[in-house]
Amino acid sequence: DTEVTQTPKHLVMGMTNKKSLKCEQHMGHRAMYWYKQKAKKPPELMFVYSYEKLSINESVPSRFSPECPNSSLLNLHLHALQPEDSALYLCASSQPILRDVEAFFGQGTRLTVV
Amino acid sequence: QKEVEQNSGPLSVPEGAIASLNCTYSDRGSQSFFWYRQYSGKSPELIMFIYSNGDKEDGRFTAQLNKASQYVSLLIRDSQPSDSATYLCAVRGYQKVTFGTGTKLQVIP
Repeated sequence: DTEVTQTPKHLVMGMTNKKSLKCEQHMGHRAMYWYKQKAKKPPELMFVYSYEKLSINESVPSRFSPECPNSSLLNLHLHALQPEDSALYLCASSQPILRDVEAFFGQGTRLTVV
Repeated sequence: QKEVEQNSGPLSVPEGAIASLNCTYSDRGSQSFFWYRQYSGKSPELIMFIYSNGDKEDGRFTAQLNKASQYVSLLIRDSQPSDSATYLCAVRGYQKVTFGTGTKLQVIP
């Protein structure tokens, strides 16, 4: 099983809403990532969890709040977003640190903030 | 200087030709290198990774790495229209993977 599952696939939310994106993998990977991708741009790293601990936060606004409840799950809690936060949100996982292992991406959640 | 650089393209090649995609990176400590294919509106799909100098072949795809020159490339032989996509070069440093801006490949039937 080389799958990273993200839910929901699509999400429309208002600027006052609170919602969560979910990501799950069962490959035994101990590093999980959130990326944000705008149209015609590369994925931009938001957060990295390594062994369930937040190891990298790329200066992401506090309206995005990540959570890693266990080694298989990664959440991204959203609150008071802005229309410019509309993007494809990608979750990925890999083994941490080792050089010769790839990162697997989920199918993404396409978020629209209205 | 961007961490990972690619020519944005589009790169147009006729069907059956070899497509050559290039990527340079700035961090000499980078450990491994990935090529992802991304169709419009879809998530990136890993097609190759390489971490040793030299060539790595998988079917129609060959990845080439030159750490001294900080250069990685992807060759696609016998290009097919279904190969038309954006190809993202990604570089693993300590704890994170950084992407280039991608090269759009168009294979003309």
